[in-house]
Amino acid sequence: SQQGEEDPQALSIQEGENATMNCSYKTSINNLQWYRQNSGRGLVHLILIRSNEREKHSGRLRVTLDTSKKSSSLLITASRAADTASYFCATDKGGSEKLVFGKGTKLTVNP
Amino acid sequence: DTEVTQTPKHLVMGMTNKKSLKCEQHMGHRAMYWYKQKAKKPPELMFVYSYEKLSINESVPSRFSPECPNSSLLNLHLHALQPEDSALYLCASSWTGAAYEQYFGPGTRLTVT
Repeated sequence: SQQGEEDPQALSIQEGENATMNCSYKTSINNLQWYRQNSGRGLVHLILIRSNEREKHSGRLRVTLDTSKKSSSLLITASRAADTASYFCATDKGGSEKLVFGKGTKLTVNP
Repeated sequence: DTEVTQTPKHLVMGMTNKKSLKCEQHMGHRAMYWYKQKAKKPPELMFVYSYEKLSINESVPSRFSPECPNSSLLNLHLHALQPEDSALYLCASSWTGAAYEQYFGPGTRLTVT
């Protein structure tokens, strides 16, 4: 399976701290995306990184991709209580319309 | 307009009922998706429509029947569901294929009694 595995499964930090979540996958990919989901709601796209990219930034988000290790990380800097959510990585293999989601990291940011 | 809408927000149905979930987008996206999500699990792909044609069916039981009447609308018809089908059903759309970001609706919380 190409499903991603997020690590850790749950993360609890204080407001202002940085949060780092990792994603590992098993097969070669075309793109890797990160999504956020607030409890019981739809997913919100955060960032897409292509297989030939190593790092992308978007506001307080920084994503890295290491295709040799088949892993990605999502860093949220200066976290806020509003960042409390589940975060999923998702991968596609190219030439397919299928996006496969990892198991997710549940982030809690305490005020 | 970058919104995907889903109706209803909540649905309770008996195992003998027939109901439909609806999804709509006006972003000109040509791919639309149905996902099923159980509590504390990631979304699982059910169906993909590309240019209004069913392109992926992830071996979903026939009691779930998708329909794409036009490029903006996606339906999921439900019939003779089981209690284990209770879940959050998410619709999403994207330009074409998985290489693009997907826009998700808020979901329909389905309970089968």
